[in-house]
Amino acid sequence: RKEVEQDPGPFNVPEGATVAFNCTYSNSASQSFFWYRQDCRKEPKLLMSVYSSGNEDGRFTAQLNRASQYISLLIRDSKLSDSATYLCVVGRNNRLAFGKGNQVVVIP
Amino acid sequence: NAGVTQTPKFQVLKTGQSMTLQCAQDMNHNSMYWYRQDPGMGLRLIYYSASEGTTDKGEVPNGYNVSRLNKREFSLRLESAAPSQTSVYFCASSENGIRDGREKLFFGSGTQLSVL
Repeated sequence: RKEVEQDPGPFNVPEGATVAFNCTYSNSASQSFFWYRQDCRKEPKLLMSVYSSGNEDGRFTAQLNRASQYISLLIRDSKLSDSATYLCVVGRNNRLAFGKGNQVVVIP
Repeated sequence: NAGVTQTPKFQVLKTGQSMTLQCAQDMNHNSMYWYRQDPGMGLRLIYYSASEGTTDKGEVPNGYNVSRLNKREFSLRLESAAPSQTSVYFCASSENGIRDGREKLFFGSGTQLSVL
């Protein structure tokens, strides 16, 4: 089983709609969790860290479920500029494991 | 403030050739990393340097060597390139490593390498 698993999609989302997707991780000892955004042929950039209590940054909400070993990302009021691949990243023992990413395509 | 700068952006090699990818950061970060990204796969760590003077293997180190030249610079060398090393390479840095997983990674813009 891969350390971090994501459904690559694509997730086709009408502009203004809400989209949500999950990422599962295999190691229960994982210590830290992040969502990175990667635009086509560009470098990944940190979108947000994910905290145990869940956290929100504008239209983006991240949740962590340690019992079921998944994290989620929800995007409200999708914008065309949200089209990107969202990488789930899990940290443990001084290293990060990256998922393949969830591709989001926001459609006008 | 340029952040993380890596060169070259594109490179084509023949099997068996060697080359060095250069990376420099101007954020006074202690830790630096080299990742590769292949289609359909997540980023995989090749080597990292937790601090100046130290380097450690990551998930896929075979076929690569690294040098932490100083605090700013971390280079990746392919001594004898193979087609399996065709990939996009990203250099990254963080302020104090990812020991507790809280540190944010800043990435360079990537190098597209093709080995024929």
